[in-house]
Amino acid sequence: AQSVAQPEDQVNVAEGNPLTVKCTYSVSGNPYLFWYVQYPNRGLQFLLKYITGDNLVKGSYGFEAEFNKSQTSFHLKKPSALVSDSALYFCAVRSGSARQLTFGSGTQLTVLP
Amino acid sequence: SAVISQKPSRDICQRGTSLTIQCQVDSQVTMMFWYRQQPGQSLTLIATANQGSEATYESGFVIDKFPISRPNLTFSTLTVSNMSPEDSSIYLCSVYSVGISYEQYFGPGTRLTVT
Repeated sequence: AQSVAQPEDQVNVAEGNPLTVKCTYSVSGNPYLFWYVQYPNRGLQFLLKYITGDNLVKGSYGFEAEFNKSQTSFHLKKPSALVSDSALYFCAVRSGSARQLTFGSGTQLTVLP
Repeated sequence: SAVISQKPSRDICQRGTSLTIQCQVDSQVTMMFWYRQQPGQSLTLIATANQGSEATYESGFVIDKFPISRPNLTFSTLTVSNMSPEDSSIYLCSVYSVGISYEQYFGPGTRLTVT
């Protein structure tokens, strides 16, 4: 079985400050980890993924995520938040043998001007 | 990446009726996925649709309620049958990106409201 936890329903951060959105996972075998963003009345947009290799992965719009195997975490980060980053963020995982993604509950990020 | 379109983008339907949602992809793909996102909730996989075979449904979802067609490698439909207000959700189509099987892309979604 595979599962994802996003412990924070809501994250507020001031514009220009660094942001972190937390994600922990549970999966059998090696994890494939993903972050998606959903803007109001829009579908999900792919941000970044970790499959193998460097623990720090970079994605779209200046976002990055750090894979930590010992802590089974894959936190999303950005050095300087923008108001336009305000959206709903989903972490997702699948094992190498699974065909479908399992999503976390989502974290609403609000960047305050 | 794959470009996915869905029709309709939104609809308001009366209980007891059915709605068919279309998903079109700009490239040929083996598997297409249908997800449901209930209000304020995360995404839940309904079924996986493979061309030329019956769709595979996840626990809690049945073919009589959510029949799926997959007539070719670029198109699929999901029907929500005998709707009730509990079916009010966003329904999303998804595929793996061609050539990059680790990346899964989503359509814009169909926002369904059942009154």
